[in-house]
Amino acid sequence: GENVEQHPSTLSVQEGDSAVIKCTYSDSASNYFPWYKQELGKGPQLIIDIRSNVGEKKDQRIAVTLNKTAKHFSLHITETQPEDSAVYFCAASNRFWGGGADGLTFGKGTHLIIQP
Amino acid sequence: DTGVSQNPRHKITKRGQNVTFRCDPISEHNRLYWYRQTLGQGPEFLTYFQNEAQLEKSRLLSDRFSAERPKGSFSTLEIQRTEQGDSAMYLCASSLEQGTSGYTFGSGTRLTVV
Repeated sequence: GENVEQHPSTLSVQEGDSAVIKCTYSDSASNYFPWYKQELGKGPQLIIDIRSNVGEKKDQRIAVTLNKTAKHFSLHITETQPEDSAVYFCAASNRFWGGGADGLTFGKGTHLIIQP
Repeated sequence: DTGVSQNPRHKITKRGQNVTFRCDPISEHNRLYWYRQTLGQGPEFLTYFQNEAQLEKSRLLSDRFSAERPKGSFSTLEIQRTEQGDSAMYLCASSLEQGTSGYTFGSGTRLTVV
């Protein structure tokens, strides 16, 4: 089955700096890669996703890049703010039908800390 | 409709007891998923429904676990004869079959087995 590795496990950056979280996946058939933000006591919230027919996607301060050859994808957050502090999860799936995929395999998460 | 609703938020039970959790998805979403999340880990897929049909079950879903979605709306997840290893956050999510919105997760039910 799919295996998703996520690094680093903890990332501390100064407010206003950029943060980058990296994930690798094992199943070359994976075609859907979402990123989730989870705050304490809440469920994961989808912040951005990318499908395998696209190499990069951007939404305001957040961007995701995908390298299918190397089987890795990354989350980039620019101009970080205190409210960006949370745990971020990457995920991968080899099944989707236009919308959400089934059976997402998640990484172990990155605790992002924004230092004021 | 404000999102995916899960009840209860917290459940403490004694080992060997049965527990049942409920999930109310976003009303127009026909896909519903159950995940389990333990401390310091990412969510792990358990099962998913399309309308009332349970289409996939993970190997994590032992015989003590059963999920239903009888009318294609809300879903229940029951754990029989709970064990300490069942202690986790149980997350429900829903999505449209078509569209680009991805999953919407609820806030979860935290189960503690003592």
